[in-house]
Amino acid sequence: AQSVAQPEDQVNVAEGNPLTVKCTYSVSGNPYLFWYVQYPNRGLQFLLKYITGDNLVKGSYGFEAEFNKSQTSFHLKKPSALVSDSALYFCAVRAQGAAGNTPLVFGKGTRLSVIA
Amino acid sequence: DGGITQSPKYLFRKEGQNVTLSCEQNLNHDAMYWYRQDPGQGLRLIYYSQIVNDFQKGDIAEGYSVSREKKESFPLTVTSAQKNPTAFYLCASSTRGRGPYNEQFFGPGTRLTVL
Repeated sequence: AQSVAQPEDQVNVAEGNPLTVKCTYSVSGNPYLFWYVQYPNRGLQFLLKYITGDNLVKGSYGFEAEFNKSQTSFHLKKPSALVSDSALYFCAVRAQGAAGNTPLVFGKGTRLSVIA
Repeated sequence: DGGITQSPKYLFRKEGQNVTLSCEQNLNHDAMYWYRQDPGQGLRLIYYSQIVNDFQKGDIAEGYSVSREKKESFPLTVTSAQKNPTAFYLCASSTRGRGPYNEQFFGPGTRLTVL
């Protein structure tokens, strides 16, 4: 069975500081990994995904994520946080053996607060 | 929120009533999904459909029903059997093509409140 863990319910960071939102996964075989962001009372917006190849993936709004196979992690990062980055962030996984129209498995989310 | 629309944005239901949440997509996607979101619990899968006229139960299907008569539409009915239906409901879709690394696209959500 596939699963995703986001160990922090809440992350607080000062504006201008680097931010990290943690994600670890469990899947049979190799994973496809995704990050989404959700603003209040809105749907989820896709940020980035890891398919294969380069372990550092760059996405929207200056976000990037680092895939680490040995640690089964896919942490989301940004070099300099903005107040507008404050939102709920979700990590998701799908096994590479699964079809493209099978559901993603999501973590419980991490609320990021960027303080001015 | 892409080419997925959900209606209504807010919905109020009296106990014992069935209500239907609408989800429509114009992305020509084969697969559609319904998730329920509760504070602190993330997204939980209710039902999904990989192709027209077919659907599968997710992790929390009890008290819900769906249909997939058209590729563009995947309505969700919350029945009176669902004991705690107050939540934020999200619809999503994805294409079958291009491989299993396809991301899902989400609608803006419907907030259901039971009075």
